[in-house]
Amino acid sequence: TQLLEQSPQFLSIQEGENLTVYCNSSSVFSSLQWYRQEPGEGPVLLVTVVTGGEVKKLKRLTFQFGDARKDSSLHITAAQPGDTGLYLCAALFSGNTPLVFGKGTRLSVIA
Amino acid sequence: EAEVAQSPRYKITEKSQAVAFWCDPISGHATLYWYRQILGQGPELLVQFQDESVVDDSQLPKDRFSAERLKGVDSTLKIQPAELGDSAMYLCASSLGYFNEQFFGPGTRLTVL
Repeated sequence: TQLLEQSPQFLSIQEGENLTVYCNSSSVFSSLQWYRQEPGEGPVLLVTVVTGGEVKKLKRLTFQFGDARKDSSLHITAAQPGDTGLYLCAALFSGNTPLVFGKGTRLSVIA
Repeated sequence: EAEVAQSPRYKITEKSQAVAFWCDPISGHATLYWYRQILGQGPELLVQFQDESVVDDSQLPKDRFSAERLKGVDSTLKIQPAELGDSAMYLCASSLGYFNEQFFGPGTRLTVL
C-alpha cells in the first residue's frame, strides 16, 4: 500500500508570514496534485505536477515536485486569512492504482 | 462553470436505518468516484465507475454499501444499515478519464446517531 505523509499536521501562523508544507512517500509518483479544502466543502484542485523538479506558481503559492518524484512541497508567501484551510496532496503512483490522498495539513492564518 | 452536484448536503440518521446519497457529475465526464472522508483524514476511495461499469470497489464495505451508475451519468451511493462508524463526509468526484484531473462536489455530511 502506497502512503503519503504530510507535515506538519497542523500549522497556525500570523498574517504576513511565510510557510512551507510537505508531502512525502517512499514510492515514486507518476503525478501529484495539491488541493485545498474548506470546512464543509469538497477539495478544490490547486495544481498538478508531473515532471521531476517541476516548479509551478499560483499567485503567492509555489509548488515544487522533487527530482526523485517522491516528494513535493507547497510554499505560501505572505499568508492571508483567506489561505486558511486543509491542504491535501494526492498522488497517482505507477500502474492502475487509484489516487491516494495524504491526511492533510490544517492551516490557520490569524489576522 | 460546470460543477459536480451532490445531495443532500447534510443527513442525520439513526443507526440501522438506510441512507442514500446522489451525485451528478460534470457533463461529459466518464469517470465518477465516491470517497469517504473521516474528520481529520484525507479522502479514501470507496468506488470508481467508468461510464456505468465499476472499475474499483475494493474498499467498499459490500455487506452494507452499494453504488450504482445505471445510465453512466448520475450515481447513487447507499448504506443499509447505517452504523455509528459511518459518520463522515461522503464526496463525489468526476473526471474526463482515469488519469485526468478530478473535480469534487461539495459532499454530503452524514451523522449516524
